Amino acid sequence: DAGVIQSPRHEVTEMGQEVTLRCKPISGHDYLFWYRQTMMRGLELLIYFNNNVPIDDSGMPEDRFSAKMPNASFSTLKIQPSEPRDSAVYFCASSLRGSWKPQHFGDGTRLSIL
Amino acid sequence: KQEVTQIPAALSVPEGENLVLNCSFTDSAIYNLQWFRQDPGKGLTSLLLIQSSQREQTSGRLNASLDKSSGRSTLYIAASQPGDSATYLCAVGTGNQFYFGTGTSLTVIP
Repeated sequence: DAGVIQSPRHEVTEMGQEVTLRCKPISGHDYLFWYRQTMMRGLELLIYFNNNVPIDDSGMPEDRFSAKMPNASFSTLKIQPSEPRDSAVYFCASSLRGSWKPQHFGDGTRLSIL
Repeated sequence: KQEVTQIPAALSVPEGENLVLNCSFTDSAIYNLQWFRQDPGKGLTSLLLIQSSQREQTSGRLNASLDKSSGRSTLYIAASQPGDSATYLCAVGTGNQFYFGTGTSLTVIP
């Protein structure tokens, strides 16, 4: 079975550029989560969706960050404009019924903003 | 807000030793608790999920326990192997989402 698929795996770009991260959840999962992981802050929940609808975006750090889920099989996390402090590993995860079932993570996107 | 703590942050043990990883949380009103493993450069892999009505779950050499009233969970690894070296994270589930601890980095020395 295909797991959660994220692209790109690595992204290096210059400050001020727009960055778009992509995620394909596991088919049939109704929850999708975006996380950010850094050494200093660990794993932080940015936003999560239920049935393609954003439920809680309180973890999104600034208005520069936005996320969409146009359909059940695709989500994007966009940063515009990007800043060096946005450098981190961004993970997408999906699950069935929120936390009632195990979350399945993608391998992440390692983002470096120069 | 739920706060999840894992101590120690790092642990190094010789191969074959049994070990316990600890996880504590501040709000006992949880739905479940999940233990993950993370290898370098990889995403998280779910190991065990314990519902709030359960006291423990077992999978192979792994056993996870949950004591909601005291806000604690432990992950017991029997007969550790070098392949167990990874970072282990616990996450407390509140129905819709999980709150994560900062993890314990485990090194098993051959």
